[in-house]
Amino acid sequence: EAGVAQSPRYKIIEKRQSVAFWCNPISGHATLYWYQQILGQGPKLLIQFQNNGVVDDSQLPKDRFSAERLKGVDSTLKIQPAKLEDSAVYLCASSLMAGPGYEQFFGPGTRLTVL
Amino acid sequence: GEDVEQSLFLSVREGDSSVINCTYTDSSSTYLYWYKQEPGAGLQLLTYIFSNMDMKQDQRLTVLLNKKDKHLSLRIADTQTGDSAIYFCAERGPNDYKLSFGAGTTVTVRA
Repeated sequence: EAGVAQSPRYKIIEKRQSVAFWCNPISGHATLYWYQQILGQGPKLLIQFQNNGVVDDSQLPKDRFSAERLKGVDSTLKIQPAKLEDSAVYLCASSLMAGPGYEQFFGPGTRLTVL
Repeated sequence: GEDVEQSLFLSVREGDSSVINCTYTDSSSTYLYWYKQEPGAGLQLLTYIFSNMDMKQDQRLTVLLNKKDKHLSLRIADTQTGDSAIYFCAERGPNDYKLSFGAGTTVTVRA
């Protein structure tokens, strides 16, 4: 079974530029998560989708971050414009369904450096 | 309250046991997890425990939960060099979808 795929693996941009990350979850997984992991910290949930609907985006900085999962499969996370403090690893995860009993499977992440 | 705290570093000799500790504040947490993150990789679920349990053993891994003190630990028996990684404690409440993670404990196994 293929795991969660993310691209690109690394991205370096200058502040005020835009960037987009892509995630392909495990086939059949209805729930998709984007986490931000700043160096030295644990992952923090940015947004959660159930199929193509948003379940929780309470910690997403909506003035600059946006995410979509139009067909309920792949998802993109965009930052526009980027700030220095956005430097982090962006992790995508998926689970069969939402809820505590369903394991979240993580992708390898995209490491973003904002200069 | 979703604070999860861990010690940041642990150095252990190969073959010894490692014990990684975690405290959490949310008394309604129903699931507590241990994840492993190797360099350049995503998080891998190692094990989890329900809040109505006080111990769970899975091969070299033993999880102990003290719900009264809100303290969780992970013991790795016969630690190997492949166990060098960052270990994250995480918790989830009964109605929570999201995981709340600690900052991670970096475990270094020395020969």
